[in-house]
Amino acid sequence: AQSVTQPDIHITVSEGASLELRCNYSYGATPYLFWYVQSPGQGLQLLLKYFSGDTLVQGIKGFEAEFKRSQSSFNLRKPSVHWSDAAEYFCAVGVTGGGNKLTFGTGTQLKVEL
Amino acid sequence: SQTIHQWPATLVQPVGSPLSLECTVEGTSNPNLYWYRQAAGRGLQLLFYSVGIGQISSEVPQNLSASRPQDRQFILSSKKLLLSDSGFYLCAWSDRNTIYFGEGSWLTVV
Repeated sequence: AQSVTQPDIHITVSEGASLELRCNYSYGATPYLFWYVQSPGQGLQLLLKYFSGDTLVQGIKGFEAEFKRSQSSFNLRKPSVHWSDAAEYFCAVGVTGGGNKLTFGTGTQLKVEL
Repeated sequence: SQTIHQWPATLVQPVGSPLSLECTVEGTSNPNLYWYRQAAGRGLQLLFYSVGIGQISSEVPQNLSASRPQDRQFILSSKKLLLSDSGFYLCAWSDRNTIYFGEGSWLTVV
């Protein structure tokens, strides 16, 4: 069965600084990979997704993520963080033929210092 | 475009009372539908998913049930709530490969 690890529970960055959130997955084949963001008390919003092709994917709000098969990673990056980016971020993995069921990581809480 | 509506947004229920959370999707047909639960400090746990009317798969044994009476309607229910049922419940739908979430429902069992 697939699994997702987000090793950082909390991350604090200063506004304007760069950001990288880590995500490692475990799956025998090429997975579908996703990043979602959740503001307090709200649902999850899709930031970006990777299915195949170019390993660097662009998402909304200036985020990007890079799929590295050799490292089983799908890290999320943003060159300059804004205070409004403070939220919880979830990495998720889906598998082909899995009925579109996703396995989520436990999330990384991002705090942005002004 | 597709939209997903989930209600009620907030619910406080006594232990032993029934529960009904409703979710509807617009702008698509025959979507896969899901109920997830998010407990404090934890990730998301898939509770139920459905690939069609009347077709429900349960991912974990629990005090809850789900039904899909119409193509774009998904209902989460309980006959008698437990304290441990408290949490944030998210309905979601998917097209071929991507899952989209509703705004969630906060359930507090007291």
